[in-house]
Amino acid sequence: GAVVSQHPSRVICKSGTSVKIECRSLDFQATTMFWYRQFPKQSLMLMATSNEGSKATYEQGVEKDKFLINHASLTLSTLTVTSAHPEDSSFYICSARYRDRLTGELFFGEGSRLTVL
Amino acid sequence: GNSVTQMEGPVTLSEEAFLTINCTYTATGYPSLFWYVQYPGEGLQLLLKATKADDKGSNKGFEATYRKETTSFHLEKGSVQVSDSAVYFCALSPYSGSARQLTFGSGTQLTVLP
Repeated sequence: GAVVSQHPSRVICKSGTSVKIECRSLDFQATTMFWYRQFPKQSLMLMATSNEGSKATYEQGVEKDKFLINHASLTLSTLTVTSAHPEDSSFYICSARYRDRLTGELFFGEGSRLTVL
Repeated sequence: GNSVTQMEGPVTLSEEAFLTINCTYTATGYPSLFWYVQYPGEGLQLLLKATKADDKGSNKGFEATYRKETTSFHLEKGSVQVSDSAVYFCALSPYSGSARQLTFGSGTQLTVLP
C-alpha cells in the first residue's frame, strides 16, 4: 500500500527557533498534500493544502508567515514552524493523495510531535 | 459549516465484547463518510468508508452504515480483540466520492483488555 513518512517524529526546540517537518510519499507521487494539527484530545484541524509547484492554500486563522509550507516535488512537502513559541507545541500530521486522482482515500504520515520550551 | 461529533472516550472493553462508537455529522449536500484508525505510534489508516446514503462500509469485522435521516455513521464490531486497541476517528468530506478536505471528529480511544 501507499506509504507516507514524516520526519522527525518528535522534536523539542527552544522558543524562537524554527523547526522543519518533512512529509514524504515513499512509493507514489502526490500532487496534493494536506497538513493537520491536533491538540490533545481534540480533532485534527486542517491547516493548509499543499500543491506541488504552487503556493499552499491556508485555512482561515492559520498564519501563513508562521507556518511555511513548501511542496517542491511530487514526493515531498515540508512544514516549517518559524520562531516557534510554546503555544505552537502540538501534534502535526500530513496526508497525501495519489497524483491525478481526485477521489479515493488519503494516506497519512505517522505524525510529528513538536514541543517548544 | 461541516462538523463531526464523535462519542467521547476513552472506551474500555473486554475481549469479545460488542463495540459501538457513535458518530454524527453536519454537512450540506452529499458528503462522503470515513472511519480512520490510529494504532499506537503509527499514522492514520483508512478503516472503512461510505460515499452515499444507505451504503455500508466494512473492513476487518468493523461496519458502519451511512444514515442520512439521522446524519449518523456509527462504527460497530461484534467481537473486539486486544489488537483493536487504537484511536478511532470519524471524518467527512463534503465532496461525494472524494477524501479531499476531511473534517475529523475528536477521536475515541479504545482499549480492549484480555
